[in-house]
Amino acid sequence: QKEVEQNSGPLSVPEGAIASLNCTYSDRGSQSFFWYRQYSGKSPELIMSIYSNGDKEDGRFTAQLNKASQYVSLLIRDSQPSDSATYLCAVNQDDSWGKLQFGAGTQVVVTP
Amino acid sequence: DGGITQSPKYLFRKEGQNVTLSCEQNLNHDAMYWYRQDPGQGLRLIYYSQIVNDFQKGDIAEGYSVSREKKESFPLTVTSAQKNPTAFYLCASSRSVADTEAFFGQGTRLTVV
Repeated sequence: QKEVEQNSGPLSVPEGAIASLNCTYSDRGSQSFFWYRQYSGKSPELIMSIYSNGDKEDGRFTAQLNKASQYVSLLIRDSQPSDSATYLCAVNQDDSWGKLQFGAGTQVVVTP
Repeated sequence: DGGITQSPKYLFRKEGQNVTLSCEQNLNHDAMYWYRQDPGQGLRLIYYSQIVNDFQKGDIAEGYSVSREKKESFPLTVTSAQKNPTAFYLCASSRSVADTEAFFGQGTRLTVV
């Protein structure tokens, strides 16, 4: 069974600090990696995609990918109360086009 | 506005009934997906479709059926054979199956009463 693992949290972060979220995956052939934000009772919203090793920055978000270590992370700089949500890591399955494997998500709570 | 529309937002089903969840997209996307989310868990793939008149089983297809007669529409039927249907159902689409950057509808919360 291919797996995507995340710490469930909650991850408590002071307002203005950096939130660091981690995700590991088991499918060594995966090529596409995504971070989704999901507010309670709502649907997931795509916030970052990354395909190559290294860092990718978009506003206050930075995704980091290390395929050799099968590890992808998300940094949220200058955390705001509106960042309080569950963050889902998703990884494509190498042997099945179109199939994303999701982690269970990390709950982030930004405290004022 | 382009997007994915799911209806209804809330649905109640009696045991033994089949129900159909609607999903419509106007993004001109070829690929569409159905996921199920249970509390505290990640999303699990039920069915996906690469093109019209074609669909594939996902990881938890038992007790579900789909059709893809139009590019814009991908309805999901939850049959009486699905033993634990109470869940949050999410429809998504992407430009193609090779492009797994998927966008979600607002979801349908199904409850068995």
